[in-house]
Amino acid sequence: GAGVSQSPRYKVTKRGQDVALRCDPISGHVSLYWYRQALGQGPEFLTYFNYEAQQDKSGLPNDRFSAERPEGSISTLTIQRTEQRDSAMYRCASSPKGESEQFFGPGTRLTVL
Amino acid sequence: DQQVKQNSPSLSVQEGRISILNCDYTNSMFDYFLWYKKYPAEGPTFLISISSIKDKNEDGRFTVFLNKSAKHLSLHIVPSQPGDSAVYFCAASAGGNTGKLIFGQGTTLQVKP
Repeated sequence: GAGVSQSPRYKVTKRGQDVALRCDPISGHVSLYWYRQALGQGPEFLTYFNYEAQQDKSGLPNDRFSAERPEGSISTLTIQRTEQRDSAMYRCASSPKGESEQFFGPGTRLTVL
Repeated sequence: DQQVKQNSPSLSVQEGRISILNCDYTNSMFDYFLWYKKYPAEGPTFLISISSIKDKNEDGRFTVFLNKSAKHLSLHIVPSQPGDSAVYFCAASAGGNTGKLIFGQGTTLQVKP
C-alpha cells in the first residue's frame, strides 16, 4: 500500500510569508506526528494527533506554528510570518495507534529567503 | 539539552565485519528505544526496537543491546553489507505508548566492499 506522502516536497518562500505543509498518512493510521529536522541533526518532535485530537504540541517552537487534522486523516502544518530560522526539513510520520514504530514520509524541504 | 546523544558522527567498516553504533541517553523516564535507518532523499525507516524490560533484542543481522544502568544502547550489525550504508538514528520514548520520539543526531555508517 501507499506510504506516508507529503506535499510539496520543496518549498521556497520569502520571509514574512505564510506556508502550509501537507501530510497524507497511511490509510487507517490513527496517530500522526510532525517533526522538524535541521541539517546534520535528528528529527525534532513538534506535535502529534490521535484521530483529529491534538495530543501534544509541546514541541511547536512558538505561536507562529500550528497544526490541524480536522477529519482525522490529512494534516496541515502552518507556519505564519516565516523567518529564515524556520528553514529545515519538515517530516510527517504516522502509526496505527500511538506505537513508537512510526512510518515517516519523505519530508518537505522548506527554505525561507 | 540533548537527551539522546550519538557521539560518533560517522563510522567506516569493511564488508563482512561488525558495525557497532552507540547511543547514550540522559532521561531515566525513557522506557522504549528504537533505531531508524535513513537513506538519502528518503524518510527514516524503522529498523529495530527494545523495551526497557529487556537488555537485548535480535532481528537477523541486527541486535540492539540496552544497558539501563549506564543509560547506553548499541546497535550491532553482523555481518555488515554495503547496502547497510546509511544514517542511523537512535530514538527514545517515555511514559507509556505516546509515540513521541526523541532522536539522536545520527551516525553515518559506510560499509566498504
